[in-house]
Amino acid sequence: AQKVTQAQTEISVVEKEDVTLDCVYETRDTTYYLFWYKQPPSGELVFLIRRNSFDEQNEISGRYSWNFQKSTSSFNFTITASQVVDSAVYFCALRDYGGSQGNLIFGKGTKLSVKP
Amino acid sequence: NAGVTQTPKFRILKIGQSMTLQCTQDMNHNYMYWYRQDPGMGLKLIYYSVGAGITDKGEVPNGYNVSRSTTEDFPLRLELAAPSQTSVYFCASSYPQGRVPAGELFFGEGSRLTVL
Repeated sequence: AQKVTQAQTEISVVEKEDVTLDCVYETRDTTYYLFWYKQPPSGELVFLIRRNSFDEQNEISGRYSWNFQKSTSSFNFTITASQVVDSAVYFCALRDYGGSQGNLIFGKGTKLSVKP
Repeated sequence: NAGVTQTPKFRILKIGQSMTLQCTQDMNHNYMYWYRQDPGMGLKLIYYSVGAGITDKGEVPNGYNVSRSTTEDFPLRLELAAPSQTSVYFCASSYPQGRVPAGELFFGEGSRLTVL
């Protein structure tokens, strides 16, 4: 079955610390897409990154980086030098190409609190 | 640049009342989705649509109905509201890549519904 697990429910760090959010997925598909979304306290969902299963290169965008490893079915997200504005709930998601036409299967989210 | 627009943003219903959550997108996306988000549970798919006139059930469809008469609009109707439908509802849309919906989902800002 398609599944996304974010084992860390809540993480609290002090500003400028690095933090890694874990994501482990299960899928039967050979081609699939993985996503990360950010949900700040205001409630909207902000798209951060999409990665397809053929591209295992790590990606860096400013203070954000993503480590995709098919061998361990993981797609981890690291924030370097965290800031208070990074406080949010972060969701990892897997695109489902089964019966529901590309629905995103979400993990339960990791709540990140960055304290000044 | 409206994107996905949901109304209303907040609503309080009494048990047994009905209402419709409106969702409109101006990106000409074929795929549209309704999710609900409960605390600590991620997002779960209620209904989805692959184009005008075509809708199907997601993971948690009971108590809801949808229609898709145009590409732009995908309203969600709650019939006989129950306290279990207290949640935050998100509408989303996506574009295809080739024959599959591979792109990220664009989300509305959410509608917070309370049933008392």
